[in-house]
Formats: sequence, structure tokens, C-alpha cells
Amino acid sequence: GNSVTQMEGPVTLSEEAFLTINCTYTATGYPSLFWYVQYPGEGLQLLLKATKADDKGSNKGFEATYRKETTSFHLEKGSVQVSDSAVYFCALSYNTDKLIFGTGTRLQVFP
Amino acid sequence: GAGVSQSPRYKVAKRGQDVALRCDPISGHVSLFWYQQALGQGPEFLTYFQNEAQLDKSGLPSDRFFAERPEGSVSTLKIQRTQQEDSAVYLCASSLYRVSNTEAFFGQGTRLTVV
Repeated sequence: GNSVTQMEGPVTLSEEAFLTINCTYTATGYPSLFWYVQYPGEGLQLLLKATKADDKGSNKGFEATYRKETTSFHLEKGSVQVSDSAVYFCALSYNTDKLIFGTGTRLQVFP
Repeated sequence: GAGVSQSPRYKVAKRGQDVALRCDPISGHVSLFWYQQALGQGPEFLTYFQNEAQLDKSGLPSDRFFAERPEGSVSTLKIQRTQQEDSAVYLCASSLYRVSNTEAFFGQGTRLTVV
């Protein structure tokens, strides 16, 4: 079946460090891929998405590229801020409207 | 309101009690989803409505779970005879149409604790 695997956290970084959160997927076809973010005390929010191979999603300095050859959608940011501290979820949808989520990766950024 | 609203935010139920969780989606949104999020896990799909039609209920874990959206707007997730394993955060999301084309907006969830 379709599934998403993402790196376990927590990821702990100093402010202005480079961030990578790995995400790989298993799907029978070509899914749409998403990153959602959950800030403390808030609901899940869409961060970025890509709907076909080689697409790059970007938002708020975060980027992720849909890599069909490696079935990956890694999240990156060049310089993290304390305000980026949150839980990040990789997700896919394929042939339906439901989202299949990974287990989430907690990011902690210290000044 | 501007976003997806869920109530109550917190619910404590005694084992065996019935509960009803409410979701007010964004006005005009066609699609509505329910997800269950256990502690430390990602959300897991429960069920999906397009307007008032329940198109997919494959994620409902047992026949104790029931969801409805009778007028294509507000939705209720009902859990009968609650069990401890039902303890989780229940998330509602709505989107204008398809998730791959339009953004899904999530509510803050209802945290259910069964004691």
C-alpha cells in the first residue's frame, strides 16, 4: 500500500543552521506530495506541495523537490529561525483525496 | 468563522460512554475529512465527505465509529461505547475541492481521553 517514511526526531539545531528533514514514500503510481507543519497549540498547516516529478515546492524559505527516481521529498531550509520550531509532517495523496501522513519530525531551534 | 472549528477542544469520557465530536468547516468547502492522531503519530484517515455524501469510510476502525454531514456543512463524528484505545486527537479538515488541487485546512482538533 501507499506509505510515507520520515526521519525520527527531535532534530535540534542552532539558529541559522541548515535544515534537512528526510521523507521517502511508497506508492503504486505518482502521488501528490505535501509537507504540513504544526506549530505549538495550532492546527496542521500546509507548508508546501508538489504534484508531479521534478516539481519544487517552496514557502517561507523552505523547499522540497519531488524526486521520482529516489521516491523522496526531503524538506530543506538554508537558515532556520527559532520560530520554525514545530512538528513537520510529510504526506501524500494518490488517486483519492485522503492524505497519508508520516509520523512527524519535531524540530527544535535554539538561539 | 475564518477557519475550521472543532468542538469540544477536550473531552474526557468514561469507558463505555458515547461521545459526539463536532466540526464546522470553512463555508463553501465541498470536501470534509476526519483523521485520528494518536500520541506521537501522524494523523490517520478515518472518513471523507463530498458535500453530504460519505464517499470513503474505509478508515473507521470499527462499527462503533459513525460520521455524518447531513446538510453538506457541519459534520459530527460519533463514537459509541468508547474504549481506552479510542483516546487520541480527532482532526477535521476541509478543502474547497480536491486535496491535490486545493489546500486542506485543519482544525485544532478534539483531544479525547477515555478513562
